[in-house]
Amino acid sequence: SAVISQKPSRDICQRGTSLTIQCQVDSQVTMMFWYRQQPGQSLTLIATANQGSEATYESGFVIDKFPISRPNLTFSTLTVSNMSPEDSSIYLCSVRYRSTGELFFGEGSRLTVL
Amino acid sequence: QKEVEQNSGPLSVPEGAIASLNCTYSDRGSQSFFWYRQYSGKSPELIMFIYSNGDKEDGRFTAQLNKASQYVSLLIRDSQPSDSATYLCAFPGFNFGNEKLTFGTGTRLTIIP
Repeated sequence: SAVISQKPSRDICQRGTSLTIQCQVDSQVTMMFWYRQQPGQSLTLIATANQGSEATYESGFVIDKFPISRPNLTFSTLTVSNMSPEDSSIYLCSVRYRSTGELFFGEGSRLTVL
Repeated sequence: QKEVEQNSGPLSVPEGAIASLNCTYSDRGSQSFFWYRQYSGKSPELIMFIYSNGDKEDGRFTAQLNKASQYVSLLIRDSQPSDSATYLCAFPGFNFGNEKLTFGTGTRLTIIP
């Protein structure tokens, strides 16, 4: 399995500010995704991070709110913009191996917006 | 109809017994299914995946897939307190290339010593 490092692991932010979460993988992977897990809920896919091009967003998520970058095959960032308390959640970076279909998660970034 | 349905639980099982977790899905074209375990405050970890009809065993875990009935289950034999967690099933439904995984709501399992 991949070693997926996310930072920050947690943060407390003020309403209206933005936070960028970084995800670093120890090997080159084709598919990277960003998920959100709200308190007591399951996982919701935010977007697919595409290397060298714009991310592909799921219904209900937009680039202005969640800009994503993926400059290479081992690194991606997710920004949560103009935060509100409703954005308080765990944000998870994940990678999927095309050969086996297995999907692995980073440790997650727990975000609290006051 | 939801894409993936799981009984949210909580499911309580005595230590040493068999825990049975079930998941139904709505996409008949799905070819692969995944089970994740998530401890409180931690990220999900992959424990099993299955592609073919029938059973797949890995230690104390057995995944069972029935494509005709569109359900997948996870059996945990000789349940231990350390198995207490939320179990999520996932499948690559309704997307081109089957690249994205859709997750169920999860079943919270408690093993009672």
